Amino acid sequence: GENVEQHPSTLSVQEGDSAVIKCTYSDSASNYFPWYKQELGKGPQLIIDIRSNVGEKKDQRIAVTLNKTAKHFSLHITETQPEDSAVYFCAASWFTGTASKLTFGTGTRLQVTL
Amino acid sequence: DAGVIQSPRHEVTEMGQEVTLRCKPISGHNSLFWYRQTMMRGLELLIYFNNNVPIDDSGMPEDRFSAKMPNASFSTLKIQPSEPRDSAVYFCASTDGGAETQYFGPGTRLLVL
Repeated sequence: GENVEQHPSTLSVQEGDSAVIKCTYSDSASNYFPWYKQELGKGPQLIIDIRSNVGEKKDQRIAVTLNKTAKHFSLHITETQPEDSAVYFCAASWFTGTASKLTFGTGTRLQVTL
Repeated sequence: DAGVIQSPRHEVTEMGQEVTLRCKPISGHNSLFWYRQTMMRGLELLIYFNNNVPIDDSGMPEDRFSAKMPNASFSTLKIQPSEPRDSAVYFCASTDGGAETQYFGPGTRLLVL
């Protein structure tokens, strides 16, 4: 089955700095890579996603890059703000024919300090 | 839309008791997923349904766990008998089967004493 590794497990940055979280996946059949943000006491919320036919996607301060050859993808957050503090999960997915089955990374706890 | 609804939000029970967790997916979504989140194992997929039919239950830890989806707007995850190691946050997520984005509920925090 799919295996997703995520680094770092914790990340502390100063407000205004950039944050980068990296993930690798094992199954070359995976074709969809979402990123979720989980705030304390809440469920994961999708913040951005990328499909295997795209190398980069940006949404305001958030961007994701994908290297299919190396099987890794990264989340970039620029101009970090205190409200970006949360746990971030990457995931890899392939369409089974009935639904996309997500395999999650182990999470990165991001702390944005003032 | 109200999003995915889960109940209860918190559950404290004693070892050996039966626990039932409930989920209402987003209206119109035909795929439903149950996940378990722990510090040690992260987010694990337990089972998922498509059009109310269980498709993959390979993540269900053991026979003490069972899940049902009697109709398109309701699913249950049952643990009988519960054990302390079942303590975790259980999430339900749903999606339109033709799409890939999964929408998560707020979770049920289960503590088995």
